[in-house]
Amino acid sequence: QVQLQESGPGLVKASETLSLTCIVSSGSISSYYWTWVRQSPGKGLEWIGYIFHTGTTNYNPSLKSRVTISMDTSKRRFSLNLNSVTAADSAVYYCASRTGIRGYFDYWGQGSLVTVSS
Amino acid sequence: SYEVTQSPSVSVSPGQTARITCSGDALPDQHAHWYQQKPGQAPLLIISRDSARSSGIPQRFSGSSSGTTATLTISEVQAEDEADYYCQSVDSTGTYVVFGGGTRLTVL
Repeated sequence: QVQLQESGPGLVKASETLSLTCIVSSGSISSYYWTWVRQSPGKGLEWIGYIFHTGTTNYNPSLKSRVTISMDTSKRRFSLNLNSVTAADSAVYYCASRTGIRGYFDYWGQGSLVTVSS
Repeated sequence: SYEVTQSPSVSVSPGQTARITCSGDALPDQHAHWYQQKPGQAPLLIISRDSARSSGIPQRFSGSSSGTTATLTISEVQAEDEADYYCQSVDSTGTYVVFGGGTRLTVL
């Protein structure tokens, strides 16, 4: 069983950087691809990217130029940085664990609402 | 960029069968996974690898895949099944994750 909890500011100013952290409170750090997914209000799910414990990352091409996902295995946490944000980046941001590089998202955090203000 | 397509909505009466489809060119070679999302909640994995039901998910939920279409079937639909359902897969190279746009199941 993996337990995940997102944390970070709920309000970010336009053009600044959105930063969120996900704490992995249980489960093996080396067994999953640690992932960020977002959901704009009333919209569907959008994959942002993942990091493996080796440091390997992969990002959604539509966000790649603005996204960095990093990990601190000793602290059992991984982080999302999304720069140059606009109102379109306002969303609920979920962290999730993914089983296998082509696999499914088996555990999810509760989500963190981030609003971008002008 | 690669996409998987779902119909926006499905409506059924209680006790009927709901079928939600997900179409994508890479589905003959890549698995589809299904999530249920109720308002204010995180998505919940209900079916993985086309047809494997997650622990604790009722048997009335089943999945299948044939050719370019994956299907989530909910038999004997109950009011509590009303939710948004998302399929998820990867592109043909297995590199990029894609989600379908979601299907809202309404129980009449």
